[in-house]
Amino acid sequence: EIVLTQSPDTLSLSPGERAVLSCRASQNVRDYFAWYQQKPGQGPRLLIYSASTRAAGIPARFSGSGSGTDFTLTIDSLEPEDFATYYCQLRWDWLSFGGGTRVE
Amino acid sequence: QVHHVQSGAEVRKPGASVQVSCKASGYIFTNYVIHWVRQAPGQRLEWMGWITTANGKTKYSPTFQDRVTFTRDISATTAYMELHRLTSEDTAVYFCARGSESHMFFWGQGTLVTVSS
Repeated sequence: EIVLTQSPDTLSLSPGERAVLSCRASQNVRDYFAWYQQKPGQGPRLLIYSASTRAAGIPARFSGSGSGTDFTLTIDSLEPEDFATYYCQLRWDWLSFGGGTRVE
Repeated sequence: QVHHVQSGAEVRKPGASVQVSCKASGYIFTNYVIHWVRQAPGQRLEWMGWITTANGKTKYSPTFQDRVTFTRDISATTAYMELHRLTSEDTAVYFCARGSESHMFFWGQGTLVTVSS
């Protein structure tokens, strides 16, 4: 089983600052890697897929990078609506999610 | 406009079964996979599996494969998830999501299932 570990658990930032979120896989993976944003009481929203491709309608301030075991989501210049929880997700034999990073 | 409308909240006793529906609109239903994902209170997202809406092929997470069933009704553009032998640990919000086999493009609003004696 491939385990995804996100860090940090919580990121305390202010609007306008840059957020860098990390996700580490327990073994090398292909780029079937995605990032989601979730706000309280809502279903998640796909931000990034294939490690670095922005989903339709996602602002350019969101970017994804990484390969192998280490992946990063960067949010340039946080907007008020970006304060949420972010999950990484991987496809291997099955699909799995990381534990989430809350941006507050 | 893409919509997923899920059925309403359910309360079940331990040992019972529950079915959640996901009515899709605004896109060609049979062009996508429907994933089911759940989230227990304060916990991470947990993938349960997917169903290929075109032919009904399913892939279940090993965690659930002995007690979950996914079906779909193409004419009704609706997907269904049935979970059997419920325990209190199955209390969660259950989401359906349209996607590929690798990730989920669009999510429903979620259905709260509460298991309590």
